[in-house]
Amino acid sequence: GAVVSQHPSWVICKSGTSVKIECRSLDFQATTMFWYRQFPKQSLMLMATSNEGSKATYEQGVEKDKFLINHASLTLSTLTVTSAHPEDSSFYICSAGSGSGSYEQYFGPGTRLTVT
Amino acid sequence: AQSVTQLGSHVSVSEGALVLLRCNYSSSVPPYLFWYVQYPNQGLQLLLKYTSAATLVKGINGFEAEFKKSETSFHLTKPSAHMSDAAEYFCAVSNSGGYQKVTFGTGTKLQVIP
Repeated sequence: GAVVSQHPSWVICKSGTSVKIECRSLDFQATTMFWYRQFPKQSLMLMATSNEGSKATYEQGVEKDKFLINHASLTLSTLTVTSAHPEDSSFYICSAGSGSGSYEQYFGPGTRLTVT
Repeated sequence: AQSVTQLGSHVSVSEGALVLLRCNYSSSVPPYLFWYVQYPNQGLQLLLKYTSAATLVKGINGFEAEFKKSETSFHLTKPSAHMSDAAEYFCAVSNSGGYQKVTFGTGTKLQVIP
C-alpha cells in the first residue's frame, strides 16, 4: 500500500516552454503533498507544500509564478514549470501524506527534467 | 528550527562488514527521525522511522537505528553489508505533531566492495 506515482518519469523540453508533472497517490487519499527538487549528487530541497483545495505554500526563494502547483483532488497534485530554462533542469520528486496519524510521507519515483 | 548533519558523504565497506552511517540532528522540539534510501534515478524509500516510541528502531533490509537523545544522534547500522545495499542514504528530521516540514541531510553514498 501507500504507492505514489509520477508522470512522466523523464521529460526533455525546449527553453521557454512549459512542462507539467503529475503526482498521484494510487491507493490512499493524500491530504498533503510535497514537491522537492534534487540537484545532482545533492540532497532534496523542499519547494512547496500543497493541501487539497487550497493554495500551495512555497519555501523561501522558490518562485511561485514559475513553479505552479495545483492540488485539485485528494489523489492528484501537479507541478508546472513555466517558461523553463536550462537552470530548471533537475530531478523533481513529490511525496504524499495520508494523514493516518503516522505523518509519514510516501515518495514518488521522481521526474527527470532536462531543458535544452 | 531543525537540521540534520550526516558525517561522511562517502562510506565504503566490504561485503559482509558492518555498515555504520552517522546522523546527528538538531531540533527545538521532540523530533521525528527518518532514514531513506535512494537508488540512482529513483525516488526515496523509507528504511525506518523514529516517532517517540522505542529508541531502537528496526527497519527493512536488516537495517536498524538507535535514537540517542543525549547525543542527538540517530545512526543507521546493518550487521553485514550486501552488494545490493550500495545506494545513497538520507537522514531526515521533522517536528512531531502533524505534518511538518521534513529537512533532509546531505546524504551518504554507501559503496560495498566485493
